[in-house]
Amino acid sequence: AQSVTQPDIHITVSEGASLELRCNYSYGATPYLFWYVQSPGQGLQLLLKYFSGDTLVQGIKGFEAEFKRSQSSFNLRKPSVHWSDAAEYFCAVGARYGGSQGNLIFGKGTKLSVKP
Amino acid sequence: DTGVSQDPRHKITKRGQNVTFRCDPISEHNRLYWYRQTLGQGPEFLTYFQNEAQLEKSRLLSDRFSAERPKGSFSTLEIQRTEQGDSAMYLCASSLAGGPNTEAFFGQGTRLTVV
Repeated sequence: AQSVTQPDIHITVSEGASLELRCNYSYGATPYLFWYVQSPGQGLQLLLKYFSGDTLVQGIKGFEAEFKRSQSSFNLRKPSVHWSDAAEYFCAVGARYGGSQGNLIFGKGTKLSVKP
Repeated sequence: DTGVSQDPRHKITKRGQNVTFRCDPISEHNRLYWYRQTLGQGPEFLTYFQNEAQLEKSRLLSDRFSAERPKGSFSTLEIQRTEQGDSAMYLCASSLAGGPNTEAFFGQGTRLTVV
């Protein structure tokens, strides 16, 4: 069955420190891969996506993610965290059919807290 | 505001009552999706429409749930005979139909509390 695992429920980092959020997926083939961010009371905002090609993808707000097929992973990174990055982050996979990103399988999320 | 709009933002209802939520997608988007997000979980896919046609439904969508998109624009999600387990955030998203570069945009959600 298709699934997404985000092993860390809650992570706290200091402002200015680097960040890595882990994501592992289980899928029959190479899926589409996404990272979304959700601030309290807000909807989901797409940070970045991977479809094919270069396995290191750049997103908004200074985030990047690397697809590693051998590890079935798509970890999110940021070199220097800002207080405004405190939010919940969701990794998701999408099926390679229909071309739509809407029918997604999400992980349970990682809540990021930022210490001043 | 040209984003995805959901109404109401919050709904408290008594167990056994029916509730209906509305989603207005981005105007040119022909695909519309409903997700449910319970506390501590990621969003779970419920159903999606392309124009007015409901193309896929999750097993999560029990017989008490029904979604419509009558004119291919806004959509409604109705829950009949609500149960406490229905308490969740209901998220709507919309996108263009097409290739991999069609991004789904999410609304802010409707938070349902069943008491």
